[in-house]
Amino acid sequence: ETGVTQTPRHLVMGMTNKKSLKCEQHLGHNAMYWYKQSAKKPLELMFVYNFKEQTENNSVPSRFSPECPNSSHLFLHLHTLQPEDSALYLCASSQGRGDSYEQYFGPGTRLTVT
Amino acid sequence: GQNIDQPTEMTATEGAIVQINCTYQTSGFNGLFWYQQHAGEAPTFLSYNVLDGLEEKGRFSSFLSRSKGYSYLLLKELQMKDSASYLCAVTDSNYQLIWGAGTKLIIKP
Repeated sequence: ETGVTQTPRHLVMGMTNKKSLKCEQHLGHNAMYWYKQSAKKPLELMFVYNFKEQTENNSVPSRFSPECPNSSHLFLHLHTLQPEDSALYLCASSQGRGDSYEQYFGPGTRLTVT
Repeated sequence: GQNIDQPTEMTATEGAIVQINCTYQTSGFNGLFWYQQHAGEAPTFLSYNVLDGLEEKGRFSSFLSRSKGYSYLLLKELQMKDSASYLCAVTDSNYQLIWGAGTKLIIKP
């Protein structure tokens, strides 16, 4: 248990569905992240929030829409996804957005797009 | 472009020592992390190096050479529970974390 929770743990959705992933951190951290992890590929950083403000959006398609209502919660809204979006989506948090801050990861949501 | 290279897979024997290498080419350098990820679980932090040299933490040690763009993770007295993927990540000049694809370590009895 790392202090970062994610729900749901598994999600199967069709290409026309709309769903949301939820992340919550209980560590008092100020920065939160969404990553995509595909088999045998490096972690892909999708979005970064620092003090609730989005600081990075790494050319992510608009079918992924993040929301950060406060420093403890992060959402990823999904709509009209493609089969290639099937992957493990990891949420992480860190004390700050700096060079030495380790990131704490949630268990991830295994997403399958049919 | 920015690149992190690690072997895809390694095999070692229980009780032995294994060294997992990581080489990087990034725009600037502000530190290097090693994470462990068991199958189906979240990555967990192992070590952080920002200065050259060896950092020891129990059975695990991490080494950094900034001039060579090189790091390694050394695991001693291997246990079956060490079977996992080991991820190398570098913070670049923009404080963005660049990740390697990970090394899957298989421990055999």
